[in-house]
Amino acid sequence: QVQLVESGGGLVKPGGSLRLSCAASGFTFSDYYMSWIRQAPGKGLEWVSYISSSGSTIYYADSVKGRFTISRDNAKNSLYLQMNSLRAEDTAVYYCARGPVAGDYVFDYWGQGTLVTVSS
Amino acid sequence: EIVMTQSPATLSVSPGERATLSCRASQSVSSNLAWYQQKPGQAPRLLIYGASTRATGIPARFSGSGSGTEFTLTISSLQSEDFAVYYCQQYNNWPPIFTFGPGTKVDIK
Repeated sequence: QVQLVESGGGLVKPGGSLRLSCAASGFTFSDYYMSWIRQAPGKGLEWVSYISSSGSTIYYADSVKGRFTISRDNAKNSLYLQMNSLRAEDTAVYYCARGPVAGDYVFDYWGQGTLVTVSS
Repeated sequence: EIVMTQSPATLSVSPGERATLSCRASQSVSSNLAWYQQKPGQAPRLLIYGASTRATGIPARFSGSGSGTEFTLTISSLQSEDFAVYYCQQYNNWPPIFTFGPGTKVDIK
């Protein structure tokens, strides 16, 4: 079955950096677009970024553009999010999600998330 | 930028009753609308896509309708496991942005 397992979260100071990873299994990773979606404590969902199956197409939400970098390694079935210049408002659970699924533009499988806390 | 709103913010329903949740987009999103369910401490789960198509394994008591700017998620007979927060999500063609609504919490009356 499809599994997405995030790692790399933790406590970081404002202005610091963190790299999140997502290990995928149970499907052909290289066939799918992948995304990061976050949820601040007690708040709703915010799409952060997506990357195409080959890695050639990438988009970011305006709130993270220029600070975050999404990437993938299809040989390792892994997705990454490099987060730089972190701010308090980046504090959230970060989910790795499969999608947007072609034609339907939805996220059909999600990991359990990894918590990123930005605080001094 | 397309803004999504959901109503009500909280819906109190008795088990076995029908629940009707609304989602509105600030401009037309055609049928590019999905619904997700999230229980405390869990990741969201896809329920409905294309405004009305149930995702794999989703029970028939969940149904979606609407197009353009007005959408509805109906749970025909609430089960104990359905008490959760429900989010709608739209896809905007250009720029490619995915926006979620603020959510509707369905709790036990």
